[in-house]
Amino acid sequence: GAVVSQHPSWVICKSGTSVKIECRSLDFQATTMFWYRQFPKQSLMLMATSNEGSKATYEQGVEKDKFLINHASLTLSTLTVTSAHPEDSSFYICSARVETSGDQETQYFGPGTRLLVL
Amino acid sequence: GQNIDQPTEMTATEGAIVQINCTYQTSGFNGLFWYQQHAGEAPTFLSYNVLDGLEEKGRFSSFLSRSKGYSYLLLKELQMKDSASYLCAPMDSNYQLIWGAGTKLIIKP
Repeated sequence: GAVVSQHPSWVICKSGTSVKIECRSLDFQATTMFWYRQFPKQSLMLMATSNEGSKATYEQGVEKDKFLINHASLTLSTLTVTSAHPEDSSFYICSARVETSGDQETQYFGPGTRLLVL
Repeated sequence: GQNIDQPTEMTATEGAIVQINCTYQTSGFNGLFWYQQHAGEAPTFLSYNVLDGLEEKGRFSSFLSRSKGYSYLLLKELQMKDSASYLCAPMDSNYQLIWGAGTKLIIKP
């Protein structure tokens, strides 16, 4: 299947700093990418939908000025957590939507980025 | 509203068969996905059903009934490595996946 990478896989930072997470589709082009957050033992929570060349669509309750999303190309979307605080510590996962012929489509997930804010 | 219902936890024996059921309610429907998620890792794609019926892929099969809002994932010849959470995720009219808490599957020797 399609491959999606994320970088970094782990990041530890001090409170107040900004952290950038990259999501890349390695062998396909993705016009739509999704950013999720998952707290321990909880379900995936969609944060925003990232569309190449346009502004991201944020879910209710997600601060767009705090979680900056840039989908600069068909293979790269970035999530920047600005002025991170301990409550932002979480597992951040991106996925890329793949459309094939007919009605087939799926989302392939990156390996995730674990963020710890001290 | 949109809702997913799966059992919280299931236990099965190595070598056996287990069926994980999922009922859902969504605003529109564009197919249903099953994902496997091991603890501390991102989900990995297992199957996608958009039409009614059974899709078989190796040891894993997935069934969909759109009229009943029902799907199941069938795992055969269970192996210890199948211990994980299994997430049923229907896709709504906006092509967004709707996530529940998943089913934690415990495999015993």
